[in-house]
Amino acid sequence: DSGVTQTPKHLITATGQRVTLRCSPRSGDLSVYWYQQSLDQGLQFLIQYYNGEERAKGNILERFSAQQFPDLHSELNLSSLELGDSALYFCASSLGTASANEKLFFGSGTQLSVL
Amino acid sequence: GDSVTQMEGPVTLSEEAFLTINCTYTATGYPSLFWYVQYPGEGLQLLLKATKADDKGSNKGFEATYRKETTSFHLEKGSVQVSDSAVYFCALSDQESARQLTFGSGTQLTVLP
Repeated sequence: DSGVTQTPKHLITATGQRVTLRCSPRSGDLSVYWYQQSLDQGLQFLIQYYNGEERAKGNILERFSAQQFPDLHSELNLSSLELGDSALYFCASSLGTASANEKLFFGSGTQLSVL
Repeated sequence: GDSVTQMEGPVTLSEEAFLTINCTYTATGYPSLFWYVQYPGEGLQLLLKATKADDKGSNKGFEATYRKETTSFHLEKGSVQVSDSAVYFCALSDQESARQLTFGSGTQLTVLP
């Protein structure tokens, strides 16, 4: 158990809808990272938050947004969903940021299926 | 930009066979290199890492050496077990990218008894 909790584990929805994925980092970790894993794109970094502030942005679509709350949990909001958004969405956490010796701890992911 | 290329799978081996999964990278500066493993139904776990050239990362019988001259970080294990069946991801972290991990496409390993 990595200590990173993601809910829900599975989500099935329709095109055009909006969903929210939730992540609770390991106790004490200040950074949260979101990754998307799909068959055609592989594992792609979406966005990072550190202590409530956006720290880095990757290949995140404008239809997607995220935030990190004062209790350090994070939510990833996906709107106007398309079939191609079907993927496994991972959250990871780390103690701080920008250190080569830091270890990322991954949750078990949320499987999103857009029908 | 940064990129990681790893050998495509799936790879199927018999128990106690020797394993090599190739990984090469392209990056600016001097990245840190990682191997992550994903067991079925679970998130990724760090398997090993190396932060500078000629460093060897090792864990659970797996090894990988950071080769700057060939920009490679191949994963090896001398004798695989059924329990090693998983997907293995090579990744890099560029200091300039502030700890964003760039992953390879993953290699599915199946070890048969």
